[in-house]
Amino acid sequence: AQKITQTQPGMFVQEKEAVTLDCTYDTSDPSYGLFWYKQPSSGEMIFLIYQGSYDQQNATEGRYSLNFQKARKSANLVISASQLGDSAMYFCAMSAPNAGGTSYGKLTFGQGTILTVHP
Amino acid sequence: EAGVAQSPRYKIIEKRQSVAFWCNPISGHATLYWYQQILGQGPKLLIQFQNNGVVDDSQLPKDRFSAERLKGVDSTLKIQPAKLEDSAVYLCASSPDRGLGNEQFFGPGTRLTVL
Repeated sequence: AQKITQTQPGMFVQEKEAVTLDCTYDTSDPSYGLFWYKQPSSGEMIFLIYQGSYDQQNATEGRYSLNFQKARKSANLVISASQLGDSAMYFCAMSAPNAGGTSYGKLTFGQGTILTVHP
Repeated sequence: EAGVAQSPRYKIIEKRQSVAFWCNPISGHATLYWYQQILGQGPKLLIQFQNNGVVDDSQLPKDRFSAERLKGVDSTLKIQPAKLEDSAVYLCASSPDRGLGNEQFFGPGTRLTVL
C-alpha cells in the first residue's frame, strides 16, 4: 500500500522568500510518480509539478522545484520568491500501480500543508 | 479547452435522503476519477473509470455509493441513503490515460452537507 506523509500542518513565509514543504512517501513499487497540487480557498485542485521515480533530475516548473531524494523517500516542494497568491493548501500525492497492475492512475494524497504568505 | 465540469456545486440534504452528482470530463480524456475530500484531509479515491469500464472501486462503499459512466463520457455518482459522515467535497478528475505520469485535471467539486 502507498502512503504519503506531510508533517507540516501549517507554514508561514515572507513575501519574496523561498519556502520548502515536506513530503515523505512509502511504497514497495519500483515505478511510481509524485505530484504536488495546490488547493486555494476556492477549492479547485491545481497541478504544480510531477516527478517520476526513474527521473534522474529534479523536476522544475517556473518558481516550483521538487527536491527528490529517492533513498530517503522524500519529495519536498520548493517555492522560490513567494507571492501573496501562493497562500493555499498544498498536497503531495503519489501514483502507483493498482492491485491488478492495470493502472497507474490512482493518486494517494497526504494530509496537506497550509501555506500563508505574509506581505 | 474547457475544463472538467461538475454540478451541482453545493447540495444540502437530510440523512437517509438520496443525492446524485454529475461530472463532464475534458473532451477526449479516457480516464475519469471520483474523489471524496473530507474537511481537513486530502482527497481519497472512490472510483476510477477507463472509458466506460471500472478500473478501481476498492474504496467505494458499495452498500450506499454507486457510479456509472455511460458511453465513456459523462459520469454520475449517487449516494443512497446518505449518512452524516458523507458530508464532504466530491471531486471529479480526468486524465488522457491511466499511465504513470498522467496529470489529473480536477473539476471545481460538489460540496455536500448532510444534516
